[in-house]
Amino acid sequence: DAGVIQSPRHEVTEMGQEVTLRCKPISGHNSLFWYRQTMMRGLELLIYFNNNVPIDDSGMPEDRFSAKMPNASFSTLKIQPSEPRDSAVYFCASSPSRRAGEKLFFGSGTQLSVL
Amino acid sequence: AQTVTQSQPEMSVQEAETVTLSCTYDTSENNYYLFWYKQPPSRQMILVIRQEAYKQQNATENRFSVNFQKAAKSFSLKISDSQLGDTAMYFCAFMKDAGNKLTFGGGTRVLVKP
Repeated sequence: DAGVIQSPRHEVTEMGQEVTLRCKPISGHNSLFWYRQTMMRGLELLIYFNNNVPIDDSGMPEDRFSAKMPNASFSTLKIQPSEPRDSAVYFCASSPSRRAGEKLFFGSGTQLSVL
Repeated sequence: AQTVTQSQPEMSVQEAETVTLSCTYDTSENNYYLFWYKQPPSRQMILVIRQEAYKQQNATENRFSVNFQKAAKSFSLKISDSQLGDTAMYFCAFMKDAGNKLTFGGGTRVLVKP
């Protein structure tokens, strides 16, 4: 099992540019989560999907952020336009079900720097 | 809303010694789950240990054990026989008994010294 796969590992972009982060969850997992990690705010849940449907997007900071899950094996987090304050590590995680108490498996994250 | 607090920003310990990390949380829920995750320099979040609130017995995973005090809403992690590979950030996390969203504490950096 390859685990949760995120790409790219690092992304450097200029303010105003569109950024797309990608995630492939573990096969068979039907819950997917996007987290953001910053020094100031720690780890924050942005959005999560169950069976490809967004369940809770209350953590998405603003309309510049959007997330999609077109199928069970792929999700994207898009920022358009990007701003320096979006600089952070973005993690994707998946879990086998929506059942309470399930362990989350995390990817290695994407380090985003917006100049 | 739930909150998770880790009051120790950084701890250091000598190799082979024991270190205890504190975590407190605030919730009105009666059933929930608590986790400790490790984040080494490689950045990946790795589950260390998991506790179900309705179980009184403290969870143990090899050198890692917890002291779960439900009434005090406390969930500390003890690392015994510390190894250099234990050097990492450690995050305490809370999950309600419905759905599987994790709420994280601010983290404690652990440095194991040779």
